[in-house]
Amino acid sequence: NAGVTQTPKFQVLKTGQSMTLQCAQDMNHEYMSWYRQDPGMGLRLIHYSVGAGITDQGEVPNGYNVSRSTTEDFPLRLLSAAPSQTSVYFCASSLRQGVTYGYTFGSGTRLTVV
Amino acid sequence: AQSVTQLGSHVSVSEGALVLLRCNYSSSVPPYLFWYVQYPNQGLQLLLKYTTGATLVKGINGFEAEFKKSETSFHLTKPSAHMSDAAEYFCAVDLANTGNQFYFGTGTSLTVIP
Repeated sequence: NAGVTQTPKFQVLKTGQSMTLQCAQDMNHEYMSWYRQDPGMGLRLIHYSVGAGITDQGEVPNGYNVSRSTTEDFPLRLLSAAPSQTSVYFCASSLRQGVTYGYTFGSGTRLTVV
Repeated sequence: AQSVTQLGSHVSVSEGALVLLRCNYSSSVPPYLFWYVQYPNQGLQLLLKYTTGATLVKGINGFEAEFKKSETSFHLTKPSAHMSDAAEYFCAVDLANTGNQFYFGTGTSLTVIP
């Protein structure tokens, strides 16, 4: 089925470890983004990309890196995991930048840092 | 400053009763406005959106919302709650109408009592 695929669904990391959260979409969407969801805080934008080779920071980018080498993939890298990064992470994509097109969300990655 | 405020983090209604979830925004110009729904362990789905035109917007599953510029509000309603409506609901705004300033509210958890 077409959509946004996130892997893994669950992950436990030790403080200081690094890892990459994967996000792939097969809808030829130009715009992709990463959000984190924390209780009582809604969703906050981490990084976004308006096309292959172009990325920019969102509201809470510290501790995360992204790259966009292809239209389909937008991985999120945690460089040195910290307990404060325990959260649920969502990848979202849109045909173009500009939310009139509507976002398609992945099902999320639940990350715990111990 | 909070760009979008959802009043009430938890709302309970009886099955068949009116659902009213409140959302207010702060912006000097009318933004684009959205409601998303999140079912347990799933990503977000777009319920409805307001960009321009008619201020009463109808969405999926019988939900609707009305943009009231004078009240800076975009409340979500449904005349008769169903058990399947139990979920987390997020109001979101795009302040610049470009996708670059897209913010989610903190969410309202809706419980439907049989």
